[in-house]
Amino acid sequence: EPEVTQTPSHQVTQMGQEVILRCVPISNHLYFYWYRQILGQKVEFLVSFYNNEISEKSEIFDDQFSVERPDGSNFTLKIRSTKLEDSAMYFCASMGTESYEQYFGPGTRLTVT
Amino acid sequence: GDSVTQMEGPVTLSEEAFLTINCTYTATGYPSLFWYVQYPGEGLQLLLKATKADDKGSNKGFEATYRKETTSFHLEKGSVQVSDSAVYFCARRYSSASKIIFGSGTRLSIRP
Repeated sequence: EPEVTQTPSHQVTQMGQEVILRCVPISNHLYFYWYRQILGQKVEFLVSFYNNEISEKSEIFDDQFSVERPDGSNFTLKIRSTKLEDSAMYFCASMGTESYEQYFGPGTRLTVT
Repeated sequence: GDSVTQMEGPVTLSEEAFLTINCTYTATGYPSLFWYVQYPGEGLQLLLKATKADDKGSNKGFEATYRKETTSFHLEKGSVQVSDSAVYFCARRYSSASKIIFGSGTRLSIRP
């Protein structure tokens, strides 16, 4: 069964550094999302992406965040200058038009020290 | 604003007990409603969904009915197993391509 994959599974970085989180969505999907979950808290929406542009973003998704689909298979989330409060589990999701169901990846745990 | 509220955990039950996890939503219009499950160390998996009033979603023995009159989507299972131990998230979505709004999650632990 096709699945969404994410790399790395765990990323440790120092405050102020740039990080790129990578996702490989399911191959025929057209809609892409990033969510995050701070430890012990609810899952929060960050951004949605369709047709090579952002379709919606939350208040969390400020100028420090960006997304890109650099080729036909990857979908990335970049944080330009990480802060301690960016430490969280980041989930990628993709969705196709056959079911309009969002499929989530296993997540990348980001730890900012 | 629009939100999803679910009962706080942790919930601890014995195997074969009856489970209810309450979920209510506030929203304008008629969102689609979901229950997601997160097993230890894993990502989010869709457990069940309902897209309109009175729909019942079901999967793996779990059920939830979309109640417009009470704006609720309570999760139930008649006989829980140890393998059901996980965090359960109630969620809603307005349109097919829109973001999912999650509740705070309820941690469920089942003891043998």
